[in-house]
Amino acid sequence: NAGVMQNPRHLVRRRGQEARLRCSPMKGHSHVYWYRQLPEEGLKFMVYLQKENIIDESGMPKERFSAEFPKEGPSILRIQQVVRGDSAAYFCASSQFRQSQETQYFGPGTRLLVL
Amino acid sequence: GDSVTQMEGPVTLSEEAFLTINCTYTATGYPSLFWYVQYPGEGLQLLLKATKADDKGSNKGFEATYRKETTSFHLEKGSVQVSDSAVYFCALMYDSGTYKYIFGTGTRLKVLA
Repeated sequence: NAGVMQNPRHLVRRRGQEARLRCSPMKGHSHVYWYRQLPEEGLKFMVYLQKENIIDESGMPKERFSAEFPKEGPSILRIQQVVRGDSAAYFCASSQFRQSQETQYFGPGTRLLVL
Repeated sequence: GDSVTQMEGPVTLSEEAFLTINCTYTATGYPSLFWYVQYPGEGLQLLLKATKADDKGSNKGFEATYRKETTSFHLEKGSVQVSDSAVYFCALMYDSGTYKYIFGTGTRLKVLA
């Protein structure tokens, strides 16, 4: 049973370009969470999605960032017009159910570097 | 607001040494507490958890006790191995309806043979 998959593992972009980060949850999981880890900081929640729905995007920056989790295919975190401050590790996690003690399984992360 | 504070790393130990990684939290309610471990190049893996005060989580020789009176959840292991070298994250989670983790900054552990 494959774990949470993220790609690419490393992404380099120049300022002003777009970054697309993909996350395939574990088989049977329909809940996806995105976290960002800035240098020297802990992981911070960005957004929680279920299939075709954004449940909570309270941690997403108001501009340039968007996320989706379509009926088919991976979840996508999209960053438009990247800036150097977007350089970070972006982690995706998934869970099977939406219950208080449900464990979230994390992917290996995508390291984004903006030049 | 709620937060998690971990001791700064890196922590460097010799094999078979005793490990303590401190974690304290600030919370307005009664969260569950977690330790996650991240091995090089991999995602975070749940190491152990505790859901209420005085609970002890344990796994792979690691232990942590949920101490409400000191708002702490320190990670301990009696005898570390080189394979324990990793980054350790303390976290809390509320049942807020969205199940967001609040993570500490992580503590890097390096165990020397």
